[in-house]
Amino acid sequence: DSGVTQTPKHLITATGQRVTLRCSPRSGDLSVYWYQQSLDQGLQFLIQYYNGEERAKGNILERFSAQQFPDLHSELNLSSLELGDSALYFCASSAEGSPKETQYFGPGTRLLVL
Amino acid sequence: GENVEQHPSTLSVQEGDSAVIKCTYSDSASNYFPWYKQELGKGPQLIIDIRSNVGEKKDQRIAVTLNKTAKHFSLHITETQPEDSAVYFCAARGDGNQFYFGTGTSLTVIP
Repeated sequence: DSGVTQTPKHLITATGQRVTLRCSPRSGDLSVYWYQQSLDQGLQFLIQYYNGEERAKGNILERFSAQQFPDLHSELNLSSLELGDSALYFCASSAEGSPKETQYFGPGTRLLVL
Repeated sequence: GENVEQHPSTLSVQEGDSAVIKCTYSDSASNYFPWYKQELGKGPQLIIDIRSNVGEKKDQRIAVTLNKTAKHFSLHITETQPEDSAVYFCAARGDGNQFYFGTGTSLTVIP
């Protein structure tokens, strides 16, 4: 158990819909990262937040957005969903700012868009 | 940005044999290289990591080596066991705090 929690575990929705994925980082970790894992693309970095502020952006679509709240949990919002958005979405956290740079991954949310 | 390549994509070994997975990276400024194990239906789990000021690190049956000059690093698993079967990912910490992942190696340990 990494200490990172993600909800929901599974999500089934239809094209055009909007969903929100939630992540709670490990206690004490200030940084949250979101990744998308699909069969053909591997692990793709989407976005990083540090202490409530966006820190880095990766291959995140404009239809997707994220935020980190004062209690450090984070949400990833996916809108106008397409079939190709079906994937595993992982959240990871790290204690940025300390010598430790290790990322710890949550169990993921499996999204299926029908 | 950083580019991480990983080989092989699949690897089958007999139980008790060794397994080696190799990764190369492009950004000479990268300074941290973790390895993750992902079992079916689970998130990646950190198994070992190495920083750029170290050439080798070992933890029981698992070891990682880093060659900064050649920009490659490798995962070595000795005395493999069936429970080592999983997908293994290498990663490199590039610009800022972004992590770039390899495409994964599916390891099968045959009993």
